[in-house]
Amino acid sequence: GAVVSQHPSRVICKSGTSVKIECRSLDFQATTMFWYRQFPKQSLMLMATSNEGSKATYEQGVEKDKFLINHASLTLSTLTVTSAHPEDSSFYICSARGSGLVEAFFGQGTRLTVV
Amino acid sequence: AQSVTQPDIHITVSEGASLELRCNYSYGATPYLFWYVQSPGQGLQLLLKYFSGDTLVQGIKGFEAEFKRSQSSFNLRKPSVHWSDAAEYFCAVKGTQYNNNDMRFGAGTRLTVKP
Repeated sequence: GAVVSQHPSRVICKSGTSVKIECRSLDFQATTMFWYRQFPKQSLMLMATSNEGSKATYEQGVEKDKFLINHASLTLSTLTVTSAHPEDSSFYICSARGSGLVEAFFGQGTRLTVV
Repeated sequence: AQSVTQPDIHITVSEGASLELRCNYSYGATPYLFWYVQSPGQGLQLLLKYFSGDTLVQGIKGFEAEFKRSQSSFNLRKPSVHWSDAAEYFCAVKGTQYNNNDMRFGAGTRLTVKP
């Protein structure tokens, strides 16, 4: 199957700083990428959907100014958590889907800890 | 809107025993159906998927799932569980119309395998 690489796998940052998470499709062109957040022992909650070259569509309750999503190319989307706070600590997972395809492929996730 | 229910939050089985994880969905038509597995601190790995055709679907690692339209179910089964199967399992549904953000996950079932 297609491979999606997410980087970094773990990151620790100080309160008030920003952190960027990358999601790359390695062997296909991802016209659509999805960003999820997962709290401990809970399911995945969709945060936003991004189409290459367009602004991301955010789910209700997700602060677009806090979680900046960029999908500038067909193989890369980034999620930037701005002015991070301890409550932003979570597991973030991306997935990517190619044009005309049903299935999306998931990255390995990023564990963000804000101290 | 579609939804997914995984009634069992936590299941414990003995190694070598059979396993069935339940998944029920609510959707206006037959959606695309998926089962994913997640090990601690990892992303999601696709076990199997149902799009159409044969209602018994074979997946990786010896898993299978059966789509039952009359019961709106897509239960995951394995005849003999291995200790390495201990993980979190997520059922997911996606609408059959091409839509950017309509994949929904169940709450997950955590599988513990006793020696």
